[in-house]
Amino acid sequence: QVQLQESGPGQVKPSQTLSLSCTVSGGSISSGDLYWSWIRQYPGKGLEWIAYIYNNERPYYNPSLKSRVTISVDASDTQFSLRLSSVTAADTAVYYCATYDDGAFHIWGQGTLVAVSS
Amino acid sequence: EIVLTQSPDFQSVTPGEKVTITCRASQNIGFTLHWYQQKPDQSPRLLIKFASQSFSGVPSRFSGSGSGTEFTLTINSLEAEDAATYYCHQSSSLPHSFGGGTKVEIK
Repeated sequence: QVQLQESGPGQVKPSQTLSLSCTVSGGSISSGDLYWSWIRQYPGKGLEWIAYIYNNERPYYNPSLKSRVTISVDASDTQFSLRLSSVTAADTAVYYCATYDDGAFHIWGQGTLVAVSS
Repeated sequence: EIVLTQSPDFQSVTPGEKVTITCRASQNIGFTLHWYQQKPDQSPRLLIKFASQSFSGVPSRFSGSGSGTEFTLTINSLEAEDAATYYCHQSSSLPHSFGGGTKVEIK
């Protein structure tokens, strides 16, 4: 069973780039038929899909974030990453990595809180 | 972008009662609607896929129905462990979108 774990800084300064990694255990990114995803949750509930990537091929981005987001698979094939540039306070959220398969987000990491603050 | 509107925002329910949560889509999404449960300080958990298909390991008291633009999540005979926020999600077209959530509290 695949498990996911997010990692990265808990605080980022405004205008800087947020960088997060998701470590995949129990499988490798290229071995399955999954999309590897990032989703965030704002304080007080709302969920927003950010991006996903399939097997280190073409990424798919939420148009609302596309100009600032990059998703990529690391050479290790057991980590994938998110970079979000020019962050503001509005980017403060819990960031989740998740697997997307057959229409739904099946497996989620525990999430990591990122606060944008000077 | 497809907008999902959930109702109600909040529901306080006695154990043993039935809970019904509605999710309305801004356009026809067929059956591409999924439901998640999120307990406090936990990640969301998939409950129902494609409107009515129960995901592995989900108790049978959870069921889903609907198609097109109106969908329902039903919890029959609510248990204390069902206290959580419930979200709908559509995968009909990008970008994926989620409903605003319905918080279920146990009386």
